Amino acid sequence: GQNIDQPTEMTATEGAIVQINCTYQTSGFNGLFWYQQHAGEAPTFLSYNVLDGLEEKGRFSSFLSRSKGYSYLLLKELQMKDSASYLCAVVDSNYQLIWGAGTKLIIKP
Amino acid sequence: DTGVSQDPRHKITKRGQNVTFRCDPISEHNRLYWYRQTLGQGPEFLTYFQNEAQLEKSRLLSDRFSAERPKGSFSTLEIQRTEQGDSAMYLCASSLLGLAEVDTQYFGPGTRLTVL
Repeated sequence: GQNIDQPTEMTATEGAIVQINCTYQTSGFNGLFWYQQHAGEAPTFLSYNVLDGLEEKGRFSSFLSRSKGYSYLLLKELQMKDSASYLCAVVDSNYQLIWGAGTKLIIKP
Repeated sequence: DTGVSQDPRHKITKRGQNVTFRCDPISEHNRLYWYRQTLGQGPEFLTYFQNEAQLEKSRLLSDRFSAERPKGSFSTLEIQRTEQGDSAMYLCASSLLGLAEVDTQYFGPGTRLTVL
C-alpha cells in the first residue's frame, strides 16, 4: 500500500527553527509537495522537490532524500502566522498525489 | 489574477437532500480536481478533469456523487441523497499541465458541507 507519515502535532517558539519530517512509501515517485493550510482555509503551495537536496525559499526550505523515502520542511525565524497544518504529498507512478494527514504546528510566544 | 473560487462557502442541509457545489478555476488552467477533507486529515481525491474530460474518479466515490465540467471551464459537484457521513470540506483545485508531467495544484477556499 501507499503510506505517508508525518507527526500529528508539533510545538515551537516564536523566532525559533522547526523541522517537520515526512516519510513515504509509495508505488513510484515523481516528486514531493509541501502545502501550508491554516485552520478552515484551503491548502497553499509551498514547495516541490523531485531531486535530492535542499531547496531554500525565504524562511522556508525543503529537503528530499529519495533513497531514504524522506523529506523535511524547515521553517526559520518562526512567526505567529506560521501556526498552521503542513501537508506532505507525494506524486506516485501514476502521477497521482498521495497526501499525508498533515502536521499541526503550534507557535508559542 | 483571480484564484480558484468556490460557491457556496458553507452549506447546511438535511439528510436525504441533494446539494450542488460550483468551482471556478484559474482561467488558463486545463486541469480541475475535487477533493474531500475531514478534520485532521489530508485531502481525499474524488475526481479530476482535463479540459472537459473526466479522466479519473476515485473508487471510494459512491454513485451518489457526480461531477461535470461541461465547457472545460467551471465545474460542479453534486451529491444526491446526502448522508451525515458526507459532512466535510469539499476542495477544488486547478492546475496547468504543460510540458512537464507534474502539475502544481492551486486550491480554492472550499465549501464546508454540514448534513444534519
